[in-house]
Amino acid sequence: QVQLVQSGAEVKKPGASVKVSCKASGYTFTGYYMHWVRQAPGQGLEWMGRINPNSGGTNYAQKFQGRVTMTRDTSISTAYMELSRLRSDDTAVYYCARSGLYCSGGSCLDIWGQGTMVTVSS
Amino acid sequence: SYVLTQPPSVSVAPGQTARITCGGNNIGSKSVHWYQQKPGQAPVLVVYDDSDRPSGIPERFSGSNSGNTATLTISRVEAGDEADYYCQVWDSSSDHPGVVFGGGTKLTVL
Repeated sequence: QVQLVQSGAEVKKPGASVKVSCKASGYTFTGYYMHWVRQAPGQGLEWMGRINPNSGGTNYAQKFQGRVTMTRDTSISTAYMELSRLRSDDTAVYYCARSGLYCSGGSCLDIWGQGTMVTVSS
Repeated sequence: SYVLTQPPSVSVAPGQTARITCGGNNIGSKSVHWYQQKPGQAPVLVVYDDSDRPSGIPERFSGSNSGNTATLTISRVEAGDEADYYCQVWDSSSDHPGVVFGGGTKLTVL
């Protein structure tokens, strides 16, 4: 079945970087954009950006420009999101999510990973 | 950047109809998607392109979109529908096009 499996929880110190992985299975990895969304404790969903796994092209939300890097390894159907210069307010659950091709412009997110908790604390 | 506004909370008795709104400037010209998120779980797409349902989503979930307001309607509400609901659009109007989420609405089943 189609699924996205993310890497495990991370604890980082302020100023460090974190890299979260998202392994896709059950579909053609290069055929669908992959998005990254985060959710701080008790807060709403916040879009960080997306990557085209076929070309490697990326679109980042302005808020994260310069601090986030999204990459992929097509040989193992895995997408990565690296966030640098971590602050305490980056503490959140980070999700990867696939674009749904059946939605207008592929703009919906039809399959989500289970989430990765990233805690930033000194 | 584009802003989506949702009420923080909506309450409804079991068996009644819940309506959750999502306001945005001329949102009727955009495709709106809705997600359900239960505590400790990832979001699930329940309505896409204003009013279509993914496979496996009950017909009790429906949507509409016109003018400045999109609405998610849940008919014959059940206890299991208690969750947070988020609307979402793709904003192509700015220099940084991307996904925009509403702030979320907590649905309480009384």
